[in-house]
Amino acid sequence: EVQLVESGGGIVQPGGSLRVSCAASGFTVSRYWMHWVRQAPGQGLEWVSRISSDVRGTTYADSVKGRFTISRDNGKNILYLRMDSLRAEDTGVYYCVLWVTDFGTGRFGYWGQGTPVTVSS
Amino acid sequence: EIVLSQSPGTLSLSPGERATLSCRASQSISGSYLTWYQQKPGQAPRLLIYGASNRATGIPDRFSGGGSGTDFSLTISRLEPEDFAVYYCQHYGGSPEITFGQGTRLEIK
Repeated sequence: EVQLVESGGGIVQPGGSLRVSCAASGFTVSRYWMHWVRQAPGQGLEWVSRISSDVRGTTYADSVKGRFTISRDNGKNILYLRMDSLRAEDTGVYYCVLWVTDFGTGRFGYWGQGTPVTVSS
Repeated sequence: EIVLSQSPGTLSLSPGERATLSCRASQSISGSYLTWYQQKPGQAPRLLIYGASNRATGIPDRFSGGGSGTDFSLTISRLEPEDFAVYYCQHYGGSPEITFGQGTRLEIK
C-alpha cells in the first residue's frame, strides 16, 4: 500500500529556512516522479516542484525558483523540500504527491496528509 | 502559460440533483493530462477523474468527466451528501509544468 507521510513543518521567521520531509512506503521514490504541492490558508492548490526518476531532473514554480530545493534520499526512501529565504506568502500546507503514469495519462495518484508551514515574525 | 478557469466559483445544489462543473483552458490542451480532484475541509485532495474521462479506483459511477480541446467538465449525476466539497481541475504540460484551476465549491442548497 502506498503511503506518504510528511513532517518537518512549523513556524519560521521571514528570511528563515526549513526542510520538510516525506517518508514514502509501498513504492520506491527513485523510480517515480515526485512533487510538492502547497495550499495557502483558504486558497487553492499551487504546484511547487518536481523531481523526476530520469535525466529530466528537477523543476520549480517561478514563485520558489532559487529559494527552494527538492531532493530525495534513495536509501531512506524519503523526499525533501528545503525552503530558504522564506516569505509570508510561502505560508500553507505542503503536500507530497506521487505522480502516476499509465496508458498515456498522468496524474497525482497519491497524496500525503500535508505538513503546515507558517512564515511569520 | 496555460491557465485553467473553473466555473462556477460556487455551485449551490440539493442532494439528488445533477451537478456540472466546468474547466476551461486558455489554449487547447491534451485531455490525456486533464485531471479532476475532490477536496474536503481538512483533508488532502483525492483523485477523481484522470485522462479527462477515466474514473480513478473506487470512485462511484455517478462521477463522470468529459471534454476536449479547451473545454472540460465534471458531472455528478445525483448528488450524495458526501459529494459537497471543493473540486479542482489540473493539467500537466507546458510551463509551468503543472497548473490547477482555482476550484469550484459545491455547497448544499
